[in-house]
Amino acid sequence: KQEVTQIPAALSVPEGENLVLNCSFTDSAIYNLQWFRQDPGKGLTSLLLIQSSQREQTSGRLNASLDKSSGRSTLYIAASQPGDSATYLCAVFNYGGATNKLIFGTGTLLAVQP
Amino acid sequence: DAGITQSPRYKITETGRQVTLMCHQTWSHSYMFWYRQDLGHGLRLIYYSAAADITDKGEVPDGYVVSRSKTENFPLTLESATRSQTSVYFCASSDDLAGTTSWEKLFFGSGTQLSVL
Repeated sequence: KQEVTQIPAALSVPEGENLVLNCSFTDSAIYNLQWFRQDPGKGLTSLLLIQSSQREQTSGRLNASLDKSSGRSTLYIAASQPGDSATYLCAVFNYGGATNKLIFGTGTLLAVQP
Repeated sequence: DAGITQSPRYKITETGRQVTLMCHQTWSHSYMFWYRQDLGHGLRLIYYSAAADITDKGEVPDGYVVSRSKTENFPLTLESATRSQTSVYFCASSDDLAGTTSWEKLFFGSGTQLSVL
């Protein structure tokens, strides 16, 4: 059964700092991996999607990498801003299986201090 | 407004009552999903639907019923609510899933916070 872990569970950084969020998964037979952002009391917003054949994706100050063989993904946020404060979740999509379409990690709560 | 909307935003009910959570999307996405989010468990899939009149169980389907008579609507019903079903419920939609080269991102509604007393 696929398990997705995110470490750390919470992170606080000063504004302007570059930071890395980590996501690990136990079953490397994934189709793709997504990073989401969730603001308090809101739904999830998809930030980046990496197909299994890709190594990384970039969007503005965000860069996500994927290493399928080691079961790891990282989300790099450059020059962090207070507006980046949110919970960040990763999710993997597995091949087959009627009940495991998209498996989420429990998230990293990020606070960027002004 | 275009997008995916859930209603109600907040709901308080009592044990044993039937509750229906609504989800509506305007994109004509083929896939729709219901997730629940709980502390310590993250997001767990309850049910999903690949198209109108096609639904299937997710990871935690017990105690829930879904239907999809129209592509744009995917209501979730708790037939007899229990305290363990107190949670935040998210509906999501997507245009396609694995098997194509154009796997689309998942789009989420704002959630329904349900409390069962």
